[in-house]
Amino acid sequence: QQQVKQSPQSLIVQKGGISIINCAYENTAFDYFPWYQQFPGKGPALLIAIRPDVSEKKEGRFTISFNKSAKQFSLHIMDSQPGDSATYFCAAVNNQGGKLIFGQGTELSVKP
Amino acid sequence: NAGVTQTPKFQVLKTGQSMTLQCAQDMNHNSMYWYRQDPGMGLRLIYYSASEGTTDKGEVPNGYNVSRLNKREFSLRLESAAPSQTSVYFCASSPQGRGTEAFFGQGTRLTVV
Repeated sequence: QQQVKQSPQSLIVQKGGISIINCAYENTAFDYFPWYQQFPGKGPALLIAIRPDVSEKKEGRFTISFNKSAKQFSLHIMDSQPGDSATYFCAAVNNQGGKLIFGQGTELSVKP
Repeated sequence: NAGVTQTPKFQVLKTGQSMTLQCAQDMNHNSMYWYRQDPGMGLRLIYYSASEGTTDKGEVPNGYNVSRLNKREFSLRLESAAPSQTSVYFCASSPQGRGTEAFFGQGTRLTVV
């Protein structure tokens, strides 16, 4: 079963718009929630991460919002740019073993 | 500083053949991972090693074996390849399991015919 569920599978946004990607999890043992960015032909790279004791974290144009009671978290990309076009993965780490589990990924395309 | 190095980058196997995917990291990380990436399925964890000498099954371990040869190297073996194992395989490492960045290799694109 998919422990981390991500939506949408694909997203098209106009340049300057806001991109929003959502994730949900069931396992309350997760205690670290990173987002990874992947460009074609490359391995994923860490973009931004949050711990569940914080409701929001912002780094430049990228913001994570975290709702612990709903077991949901989301990535917001403000002022989206064509260079942001990539696949984005949410993930969660299990504090009982350290396994890093990923969502299904979202392919983002930002149109000029 | 090479980071995480995977070999080979591309491979075509016939059904039933065996092969080993190699992964090495030079960052002195304790944890290492093997993932497979398939369209619409995201990155699924095959096996995980928290430290030298330990391995643990992930979400999709069937048909695979791993060896944590030493702190640097973590190999993935397909004993009898099947078309369902056609995928892109990624190796990753992190300083420790929790709360730290995982670094990924460039991937191995495997096709089983």
